Amino acid sequence: GENVEQHPSTLSVQEGDSAVIKCTYSDSASNYFPWYKQELGKRPQLIIDIRSNVGEKKDQRIAVTLNKTAKHFSLHITETQPEDSAVYFCAASIGGGGADGLTFGKGTHLIIQP
Amino acid sequence: DSGVTQTPKHLITATGQRVTLRCSPRSGDLSVYWYQQSLDQGLQFLIQYYNGEERAKGNILERFSAQQFPDLHSELNLSSLELGDSALYFCASTRDLTDTQYFGPGTRLTVL
Repeated sequence: GENVEQHPSTLSVQEGDSAVIKCTYSDSASNYFPWYKQELGKRPQLIIDIRSNVGEKKDQRIAVTLNKTAKHFSLHITETQPEDSAVYFCAASIGGGGADGLTFGKGTHLIIQP
Repeated sequence: DSGVTQTPKHLITATGQRVTLRCSPRSGDLSVYWYQQSLDQGLQFLIQYYNGEERAKGNILERFSAQQFPDLHSELNLSSLELGDSALYFCASTRDLTDTQYFGPGTRLTVL
């Protein structure tokens, strides 16, 4: 089955700096890659997703890039703010989002230092 | 608020017992997914239902079962509970098979 590796497990950045979280996946058939943000005790919330026919997607301060050949994708957050502090999960699935369960990475605890 | 509802919010029970967790998908959504989140295993996919039928299975134990009813709500049944079953259980829903998964608020299960 699919395996998703996520790095780093903890990332501390100064407010206003950029943060980058990287994930690799094992199954070349995966074609949907969402990123979720989870605050302590709350539900995972989708922040951005990308499908395999696109190499990059941007939404204000958040961007995701996908390299299908290398089987890795990354989350970029620019101009970080205190409210960006949370755990971020990458995920992958075959079938475009709803056709199967998501395989998640272990998560990255992002800490924004004031 | 994602529109997905789960009950109860918290559940405390003893080893060997059986519990039922309930999920109501967003209005119009046909597919429901169950996930387990624990400190050691992370966020793991358990099972998916689409329009009443089981569609995909993940790392679901034989002691666990689920079903989706004609009104599209779903229940996850956990039996012969063990300490290691203590976790947050989330459900998610999608309108169709290409849609984004939106998560409910979760049920926190504590097995004592």
